[in-house]
Amino acid sequence: GAVVSQHPSWVICKSGTSVKIECRSLDFQATTMFWYRQFPKQSLMLMATSNEGSKATYEQGVEKDKFLINHASLTLSTLTVTSAHPEDSSFYICSASSGGQVRGTEAFFGQGTRLTVV
Amino acid sequence: DAKTTQPTSMDCAEGRAANLPCNHSTISGNEYVYWYRQIHSQGPQYIIHGLKNNETNEMASLIITEDRKSSTLILPHATLRDTAVYYCIVRVVGSNYKLTFGKGTLLTVNP
Repeated sequence: GAVVSQHPSWVICKSGTSVKIECRSLDFQATTMFWYRQFPKQSLMLMATSNEGSKATYEQGVEKDKFLINHASLTLSTLTVTSAHPEDSSFYICSASSGGQVRGTEAFFGQGTRLTVV
Repeated sequence: DAKTTQPTSMDCAEGRAANLPCNHSTISGNEYVYWYRQIHSQGPQYIIHGLKNNETNEMASLIITEDRKSSTLILPHATLRDTAVYYCIVRVVGSNYKLTFGKGTLLTVNP
């Protein structure tokens, strides 16, 4: 299957600072990327959908000015958590879609980023 | 996308088959059934998907009832590494590849 790489795997930051998380599709072009957030013992919640070269579409209740998403190329999307606070501590996961280029499945997930804000 | 119902948790003995049920009684004709799993602190992993015929790959088999209102994911010989949360997702295949995750089933494989 296709490979999606997230970096970093974990990060600890101070309250009020910003953190950038990268999501790369290593062997396919990702026309669409998704960002999810997962709190302990809960399921994945979609935060936003991004298409290469256009603005991201945010789910209801997700602050677009706090969670900045950039999808500048077909292999890279970034999520920046601005002015992070302890309540932003969570497991952030990206997913990439090949738009049908890769058979057998459509969405490939990164390994996730554990963000802890202290 | 149609809603799915899965048991909260299941146990299985190592080496035995694990059968994970999923109800999707409101599924429509153009919706597929997808299965993903998430091992603790990792991103979800694709397992299998199908429309109406039974499907099998190197990981699992998917049995869909004739009325398509329910399905069963079968792991033929469960190992300890199969301990994970398994998600059954129903969605239309198209340009929107967004997945909506429910609570899933925590499968615990015991030695």
